[in-house]
Formats: sequence, C-alpha cells, structure tokens
Amino acid sequence: EIVMTQSPATLSVSPGERATLSCRASQSVSSSLAWYQQKPGQAPRLLIYGASTRATGIPARFSGSGSGTEFTLTISSLQSEDFAVYFCQQYGNWPPWTFGQGTKVEIK
Amino acid sequence: QVQLVESGGGVVQPGRSLRLSCAASGFTFTTYGVHWVRQAPGKGLEWVAAISPDGTNIYYADSVKGRFTISRDNSKSTLFLHMNSLRAEDTAVYYCAKPRTAGTSFDSWGRGTLVAVSS
Repeated sequence: EIVMTQSPATLSVSPGERATLSCRASQSVSSSLAWYQQKPGQAPRLLIYGASTRATGIPARFSGSGSGTEFTLTISSLQSEDFAVYFCQQYGNWPPWTFGQGTKVEIK
Repeated sequence: QVQLVESGGGVVQPGRSLRLSCAASGFTFTTYGVHWVRQAPGKGLEWVAAISPDGTNIYYADSVKGRFTISRDNSKSTLFLHMNSLRAEDTAVYYCAKPRTAGTSFDSWGRGTLVAVSS
C-alpha cells in the first residue's frame, strides 16, 4: 500500500498571501496524484488531477506540480473561500486508493 | 449534472448490520466504476470499496474485507454497501464517489450518510 504524507498539518496564512502545501508518496505514483478541497460539513471537491491539471471550474490561482513521490499544491493568492482542509490522493497503484491525512489552511 | 445521493445511515449497535444506498443520476451509470469512501469524525478520508461497471471486479480496503459487501443495480443506477459485524471504528460519514475515468481521481461525490456504531 502506498502511504501518502502531507505537510504541514496546519498552515496559517493571511488573505492574499501564497500557500504551499506538500504531499509525499511512499513510492512513485508517476503523475497519478489528485488534490481535493473540503469545507466543514461538505463533501470533498476535486481541484487537481494528473498532478497538475485543474478540474472543471477550478480557479487559476490553484496549481499543482510534481511527479514521482513529491507533489505540491500552490494557492497563489488566498481568498476567504479557500480556507479549508486539503487532501492529496494517489491513484497510481491501486487498490487501495490512498489519501494523505490532510492540511488545514487557516486564517492567520 | 451528476448527482449522487446516499441514504441508509443511522445509529447501530456493534455487531449489527446496515445497508447503504447511493442513487446516481446525470451520467451513464453503466459505464463507470463507483466507490465508497468514508471519513471518521474529525479525521481524514479512507477509501472503502470499489466496483467495476459490470460488477465483475470488486475491491475492498483491508479494514472492511470480509465484513462489507459492495454491489450495484445498473437497472436502477444504484450502488449499495452492505455492512456486517459493525465496529465502533466504522463510525464515519460514508460517501459514494464517481471516478473521472476508470481507476483515477474522484470528480463527483455525494453529500454522505452518517453511520454511528454505538451501544
């Protein structure tokens, strides 16, 4: 099973600033990596797939990069609606499909 | 648009059973595998089970193997999760999720149904 590790657990950022979230896979998943955003009481929403492709309707301030075992989600200028929990997920080697433990982006 | 609507959650005693349903619409159900993903209170996401479009390929997380059964009724565009021998650690919101393409990321999720296992 591929273990996904996200860092940091919590990221405190001021509105308008850049946020950089990391995700590491225990073995290579090539570019088979997705990022999700989840707000309280809501289902996760797909942001990025293929490590760097934005899903339908996702603003350009969200970008993903990386391949192999190291991945990054960058939010270029945080808006109020971006404060949420973010999860990475690998689908390069399944089953199982595995998720990171999440990074909470909070208001500084 | 794609809609996934889960139902069947509730409070159940340890060792008992429960069946969850997920009604799908807005896409051709028969051409997609579908998944169950759960989230314990305040915790992260855990993939639970998946079933191929025709139901011939089925996968389970080790944590539920032998206790949970995933199935589908393509005539009714409905996904099921039969949960037996429930444990406290099965307490979670259970989501059904549709992959973007086979074996990939999940581009559509239901709102979830809460299963609470407690005596």
